[in-house]
Amino acid sequence: SQTIHQWPATLVQPVGSPLSLECTVEGTSNPNLYWYRQAAGRGLQLLFYSVGIGQISSEVPQNLSASRPQDRQFILSSKKLLLSDSGFYLCAWSVDGQGEQYFGPGTRLTVT
Amino acid sequence: RKEVEQDPGPFNVPEGATVAFNCTYSNSASQSFFWYRQDCRKEPKLLMSVYSSGNEDGRFTAQLNRASQYISLLIRDSKLSDSATYLCVVNIGSNYQLIWGAGTKLIIKP
Repeated sequence: SQTIHQWPATLVQPVGSPLSLECTVEGTSNPNLYWYRQAAGRGLQLLFYSVGIGQISSEVPQNLSASRPQDRQFILSSKKLLLSDSGFYLCAWSVDGQGEQYFGPGTRLTVT
Repeated sequence: RKEVEQDPGPFNVPEGATVAFNCTYSNSASQSFFWYRQDCRKEPKLLMSVYSSGNEDGRFTAQLNRASQYISLLIRDSKLSDSATYLCVVNIGSNYQLIWGAGTKLIIKP
């Protein structure tokens, strides 16, 4: 069966510090991968998606970036965090672009 | 107009009751529809896909009305464990994007 891992579970970072969140998927090959952010009490906002190694599509302009160095690894980064980057970051995978997405446990980021 | 709209609630419902939520979507080209549930401070989990003919999974029934552009979720014999936020999700068939509603909060009371 497929599983998706994210770490860390919680993170408190000062404004201006760098960020690196990692997501890995097991039990499937060539998944579509996604990064979402959920602000408190809000819906999910798609940040990036990837259909293959090195292929990243960005959905919103921001100071975040994503990379996919391996088939089942997806990384979210920032060089300098802003207060507005606080939120619940979720990684997800899907078999194709039409169907269900499955989420990792998420990282709760607080920028202070 | 938002692409996917849901009543945020909360819906306060006694245990054992039947509750229904609707969700409207704006893009008539939408192709795939889902309901997810999200517990407090947890990730969303797929509850069920919504098929054109409607579908049922135990106490949960999902319906799609393409003419009026809404989907519905019916929960029968509600349990305390059904308390969660229910997210309506629509795929418009392009660029691998799911469009997420902000969710409807359900509270089941004993």
